[in-house]
Amino acid sequence: QQQVKQSPQSLIVQKGGISIINCAYENTAFDYFPWYQQFPGKGPALLIAIRPDVSEKKEGRFTISFNKSAKQFSLHIMDSQPGDSATYFCAAHFTGGFKTIFGAGTRLFVKA
Amino acid sequence: NAGVTQTPKFQVLKTGQSMTLQCAQDMNHEYMSWYRQDPGMGLRLIHYSVGAGITDQGEVPNGYNVSRSTTEDFPLRLLSAAPSQTSVYFCASSTPGEVNTEAFFGQGTRLTVV
Repeated sequence: QQQVKQSPQSLIVQKGGISIINCAYENTAFDYFPWYQQFPGKGPALLIAIRPDVSEKKEGRFTISFNKSAKQFSLHIMDSQPGDSATYFCAAHFTGGFKTIFGAGTRLFVKA
Repeated sequence: NAGVTQTPKFQVLKTGQSMTLQCAQDMNHEYMSWYRQDPGMGLRLIHYSVGAGITDQGEVPNGYNVSRSTTEDFPLRLLSAAPSQTSVYFCASSTPGEVNTEAFFGQGTRLTVV
């Protein structure tokens, strides 16, 4: 059972544009929502994360928007750069639990 | 500052062969896990461990075996390799219970079963 649904599966954006990746979750016990970035040939690495008590978190060009009532969250990459080309995974976790549940991933390609 | 180390990076197996994928972490993390990554499927949990001597099955455990004799090491064994096990395998570790827990991943093992 996939508990975190991620879309789109792939995304092509022009340099300088905004990349948007969406995720939805089912389990209301989740209380921590990280995003991981994976470059080819590498393991995923934590990019940015949010807790459901805030509606938005921004770190540089990366912003997470969170809608608790809709059980949805999204990653926005402003001024997208070719170096942002990677696979992005949303995830969900609950404090005190062990497992992190990952979305299916979005392959982002930023055209120069 | 090694983090999570996986070996080997690449492996080709014949159907029916067995092998062990190694994973070691030097961060004293209690929680370790194995994922496989397939196109369009994301990261699927194979097995996980919450401490030395304690392991449990994840989402796709069939055909794999694990053990955890030390905090540092968490090997994944393929008992009798099948072409369906062709995938990229990632080991990860973290400290459960932290408010903002972060999973640290190894660089992966690309396995091809022919």
